[in-house]
Amino acid sequence: DTEVTQTPKHLVMGMTNKKSLKCEQHMGHRAMYWYKQKAKKPPELMFVYSYEKLSINESVPSRFSPECPNSSLLNLHLHALQPEDSALYLCATLSPTYEQYFGPGTRLTVT
Amino acid sequence: ILNVEQSPQSLHVQEGDSTNFTCSFPSSNFYALHWYRWETAKSPEALFVMTLNGDEKKKGRISATLNTKEGYSYLYIKGSQPEDSATYLCAFNNFGNEKLTFGTGTRLTIIP
Repeated sequence: DTEVTQTPKHLVMGMTNKKSLKCEQHMGHRAMYWYKQKAKKPPELMFVYSYEKLSINESVPSRFSPECPNSSLLNLHLHALQPEDSALYLCATLSPTYEQYFGPGTRLTVT
Repeated sequence: ILNVEQSPQSLHVQEGDSTNFTCSFPSSNFYALHWYRWETAKSPEALFVMTLNGDEKKKGRISATLNTKEGYSYLYIKGSQPEDSATYLCAFNNFGNEKLTFGTGTRLTIIP
């Protein structure tokens, strides 16, 4: 199984809503990532979890809150987002041979 | 701050022609260089990951080379087809660092 799955595929939320993005992998990869991707720009790193501990936070605003409940799951909790947070949110894993596997992404629209 | 540069930014190539483009990266503390094929509104698709100086990798009509001493990698596409139209991203990580630093990509358009 070389797949990273993400739910939901699409999400529309208001600025006062609380929602969560979910990511799952069963490849046993120790590192899991959240990226934000705006149109026509490469992925922008947000967070890295390594062995279920947060190892990199790229100065992301606190309205984005990551969580890694176990080695297969990664969540991104969203609260009080702004319209400029609308983007494609990608989850990814890193294999022991440093190959990065991306999920299909969640297309988020903040209204 | 690690700088990964790709050139050219965009490229138009006639169908059937071959082409190549470049990724430059810091040569110190090198660990891995990644190439991705990316279509807008989709997630990047991994093409190659290379770790050894002099590495050459091939997947069908696409191949890549790596020079870690001088800090560059070339991606080659032989006999371009319309389905090769995409943005090609490279990403670099240095030793012991889980963070991948992406270049801004080369946008390739194949003209039928």
